Amino acid sequence: DVKVTQSSRYLVKRTGEKVFLECVQDMDHENMFWYRQDPGLGLRLIYFSYDVKMKEKGDIPEGYSVSREKKERFSLILESASTNQTSMYLCASSGGGFDNQPQHFGDGTRLSIL
Amino acid sequence: AQSVAQPEDQVNVAEGNPLTVKCTYSVSGNPYLFWYVQYPNRGLQFLLKYITGDNLVKGSYGFEAEFNKSQTSFHLKKPSALVSDSALYFCAANTNAGKSTFGDGTTLTVKP
Repeated sequence: DVKVTQSSRYLVKRTGEKVFLECVQDMDHENMFWYRQDPGLGLRLIYFSYDVKMKEKGDIPEGYSVSREKKERFSLILESASTNQTSMYLCASSGGGFDNQPQHFGDGTRLSIL
Repeated sequence: AQSVAQPEDQVNVAEGNPLTVKCTYSVSGNPYLFWYVQYPNRGLQFLLKYITGDNLVKGSYGFEAEFNKSQTSFHLKKPSALVSDSALYFCAANTNAGKSTFGDGTTLTVKP
């Protein structure tokens, strides 16, 4: 089974801090994704990556950046955390090259910015 | 642009009754459609997918989904609901490079 591991389940940070959320997958997947999930807004794609060192903006990239130095690891960075970035963050991965592949999700990081 | 709609925010059924969670889609080309389930404080779990072939797709936990091309629908079904099926369900369509367009989710509540 594919395993996607997010480094923290719960995280509390202060406004203005630089925050790193880490995600690791163990199935050699090409594609990796970061979403945020907010009540009433569904899943919104922040960034995705289809190869090492490659990244593409999703629907809401403002205030975020990403890093993919190794195939298995995809990091989300909040450059200067703000209270409106309090949310559930979900990482996912999928096999590359085929649109018929499902995404595999981590259990999420519930981030609170105070 | 691709879109996925789940017209019901909430579905309530009694345990033992059949359940349906609705999904309609708008995609260009051949649709690759998925259902996911999310339990509280967990990530999404893949349930089933439609790629091509049979219009009735069987998946995990006794769930199945019916693909209807003329109605552009992909409804999730189960013949007999369990209380443990209570969760948030997402329909999704894949786009290029494996990106997914998700519906807004439907909360299923199964009452004993």
